[in-house]
Order: sequence, then structure tokens, then C-alpha cells
Amino acid sequence: DIVLTQSPALAVSLGQRATISCKTNQNVDYYGNSYMHWYQQKPGQQPKLLIYLASNLASGIPARFSGRGSGTDFTLTIDPVEADDTATYYCQQSRNLPTFGGGTKLELK
Amino acid sequence: QVQLKESGPGLVQPSQTLSLTCTVSGFSLTSYHVSWVRQPPGKGLEWMGVIWTGGSTAYNSLLKSRLSISRDISKSQVFLKMNSLQTEDTATYYCARDETTEGDYFDYWGQGVMVTVSS
Repeated sequence: DIVLTQSPALAVSLGQRATISCKTNQNVDYYGNSYMHWYQQKPGQQPKLLIYLASNLASGIPARFSGRGSGTDFTLTIDPVEADDTATYYCQQSRNLPTFGGGTKLELK
Repeated sequence: QVQLKESGPGLVQPSQTLSLTCTVSGFSLTSYHVSWVRQPPGKGLEWMGVIWTGGSTAYNSLLKSRLSISRDISKSQVFLKMNSLQTEDTATYYCARDETTEGDYFDYWGQGVMVTVSS
């Protein structure tokens, strides 16, 4: 299985930039695409797709969210952070059978 | 619009079998794969398995011996059965649509059903 590693938590101030990282133990690139996706989950809610294929914004997601990376290193950036962005963020790979990172809880300073 | 809704018992006794149903609308099970994902209280997401458009299945290697996923296309329902439940299987269980046109990710999720394993 491909293992995805995320830092457990991140604290940022309102209006600042949040950068959440996800590292994999195997390359998730295949034929020019990076099979890495990002989700946001708020307490008591189901996960919500933010970014697919590393850098593509999902429908209805504000442009404050962006993703980048390739191979084994990926980041999700939120700029600027708003109060409503407090949530846990998960990365997920689909190069092989799906696996998720452990999640990064974004909090406000 | 696309919707998925999980249903099933909220409480299951240890060693018993869990049976859940995911009822979908707004898309066909012959056009999209459907996966099951679970989340223990306060913990992260774990992919459990998938039923592909052709009816084949794939499972998380850690759950494979206990898990079965099937479907009824005419009823737009996907079923999960998992046996030999233990307290560690207490979790919220989600079904999710698997978008594979570009990349194989979960674009729609059900609201989830909380399952407690306890005597």
C-alpha cells in the first residue's frame, strides 16, 4: 500500500497563508498525471473534495484553495485563510488502491 | 442531482455481521464506481473497498477476509457486509462516488452512518 504522511496540525492567523503537506512513500505520478487529491472535513460532516489530480480545483471551490506537487511531495495551500476554513484536510492517492493521509487539522491562532 | 445515502443498524454486537446499504440517485451504478470509506471516532479516513461499474470488486487488504461489497443496479443500491465485527470497527461508514474520468477520486459522499459495535 502507498502510505501518505501529513503533519497532524497547523495553526495560522486569519488572512495569512496555510500550507499543508502530504508526502508519499511511492511515486503517484502516471502518464503525466499526479494521482493525488485533497478533501476538507468539518466536524460532523462528510469529506468534501477540494482538489483533484494534484492541482485541479473541484467545482464550487473558491480560488483561495490551490494544490501543487508531483511524485512524492504535495501541498495544499489556502491563501488567504478565512475563519470557515478551520477543518481537517486529507490527502488521498489513487495511483494504486486508494489510501488517505492521516489528516491535518487547521486551527486559527 | 447526485446523492448517496447510507442506511443500516446503529448498533451491532461483537462477532456479528454488519450490513449497510448505500442508495444512490442522479447517476447509474453502471457508469460510476462506488466505494465505502470509514472513520473511527476522532480518527482519519480508511478506504474499505469498491464495486466497479462492471460489478467487480476490490478491497483493502486489511479487511479483505471479512468484507463483501455487492449491488442491485435496478434499485440503485450498493451493499456492504462485514463479518466478525469487533469494537475497533466502531466508526462512521460512508459511501462515495468514484469519479474516474479524470483521476479516480471521490466527488460525492453520503452523509455517513454511525455504527457502534458493543454488547
